[in-house]
Amino acid sequence: AQTVTQSQPEMSVQEAETVTLSCTYDTSESDYYLFWYKQPPSRQMILVIRQEAYKQQNATENRFSVNFQKAAKSFSLKISDSQLGDAAMYFCAYRVYNTDKLIFGTGTRLQVFP
Amino acid sequence: GAGVSQSPSNKVTEKGKDVELRCDPISGHTALYWYRQSLGQGLEFLIYFQGNSAPDKSGLPSDRFSAERTGGSVSTLTIQRTQQEDSAVYLCASSLAQSGAGPYEQYFGPGTRLTVT
Repeated sequence: AQTVTQSQPEMSVQEAETVTLSCTYDTSESDYYLFWYKQPPSRQMILVIRQEAYKQQNATENRFSVNFQKAAKSFSLKISDSQLGDAAMYFCAYRVYNTDKLIFGTGTRLQVFP
Repeated sequence: GAGVSQSPSNKVTEKGKDVELRCDPISGHTALYWYRQSLGQGLEFLIYFQGNSAPDKSGLPSDRFSAERTGGSVSTLTIQRTQQEDSAVYLCASSLAQSGAGPYEQYFGPGTRLTVT
């Protein structure tokens, strides 16, 4: 079965500091996509960053970057220079190439302190 | 342009009643997805539509759940004879094309919070 595990239910970080959220997944597939979504209190899921499994280079979007370790099936999210607006639930998700179903982890609640 | 919209935003219903949840996808998006988010859980896939057809209904938790999409646009998720365990946030997403055809992003709506008393 394909599963996504986020082992940190809650994390906190001070404003301007760096925080890393962890995610591991289990799959026998070789072609897939990995995602990090942010869910603020408004409930709307927002795509933060995406990684294609065939790409060795780690994806980066401004202050957000990932550490993708395919062999270890690990996909962590690093948030640099944390801002108060980064406070939200963060979900790691997985989708097999050529399928439509996103499989989500249980989420990590990130608190940002001034 | 407008994003994915869902209505109602919140719905409280008594156990045993039927409810309908509505999703308006982004104009031009052919694929539409329904997910359920229970308290403390991640999102659970329910069903997706490509146009008006639903190739994958595998995530519907029971036969009390059904969904339809008309005109390739609006979708309705219906829950019959609601139970307390149906209480959750129901999220809808749409994408430009079937996600499996490429890295098409799924854009999410704000969800409907359903509470069954």
